[in-house]
Amino acid sequence: AQSVSQHNHHVILSEAASLELGCNYSYGGTVNLFWYVQYPGQHLQLLLKYFSGDPLVKGIKGFEAEFIKSKFSFNLRKPSVQWSDTAEYFCAVVSGGYNKLIFGAGTRLAVHP
Amino acid sequence: DAGVIQSPRHEVTEMGQEVTLRCKPISGHNSLFWYRQTMMRGLELLIYFNNNVPIDDSGMPEDRFSAKMPNASFSTLKIQPSEPRDSAVYFCASLGTGVYEQYFGPGTRLTVT
Repeated sequence: AQSVSQHNHHVILSEAASLELGCNYSYGGTVNLFWYVQYPGQHLQLLLKYFSGDPLVKGIKGFEAEFIKSKFSFNLRKPSVQWSDTAEYFCAVVSGGYNKLIFGAGTRLAVHP
Repeated sequence: DAGVIQSPRHEVTEMGQEVTLRCKPISGHNSLFWYRQTMMRGLELLIYFNNNVPIDDSGMPEDRFSAKMPNASFSTLKIQPSEPRDSAVYFCASLGTGVYEQYFGPGTRLTVT
């Protein structure tokens, strides 16, 4: 079965620091990958997605992610975080038919002013 | 579009009571997913439907949990009888054909005392 690993459970940064959140998946074939964000008290929203093509994907709010097939990774990055980026971030991979998503455990990011 | 609609947004009930959570997917979407989110277990997929038919309910924790989708615009998740360990946020998400992004509802925060 497919699985998704997010290595950092909690990350604390100061504003303007750079961010990289790790995500590794287990499946070796064609993958569709997502990063979702959940702001405090809110529902999950899509940050960005990768299906094919350019492995460097740009999403909303200045986030980007790079798909590295050889490393089974899809790390999320942002060059300069803001206090408003404080949220929980989930990496997910499509598994099987019907576009079922397998989510990682999530990474809680706290950005201090 | 109003997005995925869930009701109620908050539910507080006593142990042993029946709880019914409701979800209205985005119009035209033909897949619907129920998730449960807790601090301990993260985001878990409980069950999902395609064209109103349950496809995989292996994530439903116990027989106390049941879900139905009588038509394309409505689904329920029922817990009977409820227990304190069922306290969580329950999310519904929907997905359309040819669309790979799941859209999440605002969630129902359930507290069982």
